[in-house]
Amino acid sequence: DGGITQSPKYLFRKEGQNVTLSCEQNLNHDAMYWYRQDPGQGLRLIYYSQIVNDFQKGDIAEGYSVSREKKESFPLTVTSAQKNPTAFYLCASKVTGLSNTEAFFGQGTRLTVV
Amino acid sequence: DQQVKQNSPSLSVQEGRISILNCDYTNSMFDYFLWYKKYPAEGPTFLISISSIKDKNEDGRFTVFLNKSAKHLSLHIVPSQPGDSAVYFCAATANAGGTSYGKLTFGQGTILTVHP
Repeated sequence: DGGITQSPKYLFRKEGQNVTLSCEQNLNHDAMYWYRQDPGQGLRLIYYSQIVNDFQKGDIAEGYSVSREKKESFPLTVTSAQKNPTAFYLCASKVTGLSNTEAFFGQGTRLTVV
Repeated sequence: DQQVKQNSPSLSVQEGRISILNCDYTNSMFDYFLWYKKYPAEGPTFLISISSIKDKNEDGRFTVFLNKSAKHLSLHIVPSQPGDSAVYFCAATANAGGTSYGKLTFGQGTILTVHP
């Protein structure tokens, strides 16, 4: 079955730690995205990537980092510089960034700082 | 600056009746609009979309209407079913010119509850 897999589903982080959220897709999509959902604020774009070895900052990139070494994978690292990391994180992919097609989402990772 | 707004945080509808969810946008460069449905602790699933060259798109019980002059779109669900109860997000992107790279701008979401 083709799709996007995010892991883990739940993640707990101590203050000052970096954590990495995994996102893997087998849809052969070029474009991948990371969004963050907070209550009452919809989804906000953190980072996006159109092709391997290239990525761009979204609207709220501070405190986050990404890599795109393989087409299938787009991991997100939440660093200790992120002031309010507790949120629901969603990864998405799309055939290409330029087409009028929908983005497909993973099931999300709930990150909680303890 | 909230470029996509869903001004109704919640909507309650009786089963079998019509649900109308509204969305307003401010960016005139947006040329492709989408509706997603989301359950708690899950990723959004795509429902229906519309290009700015159209004013209506229909898919089964779901119809999206676009009024470009008013910068307004709406999602109609007829007839509404209890299984439609979820959060609905409106999203928009500006594909023309190739500068948006498919980035979606989302509204805040509307919680739809369909009562049996």
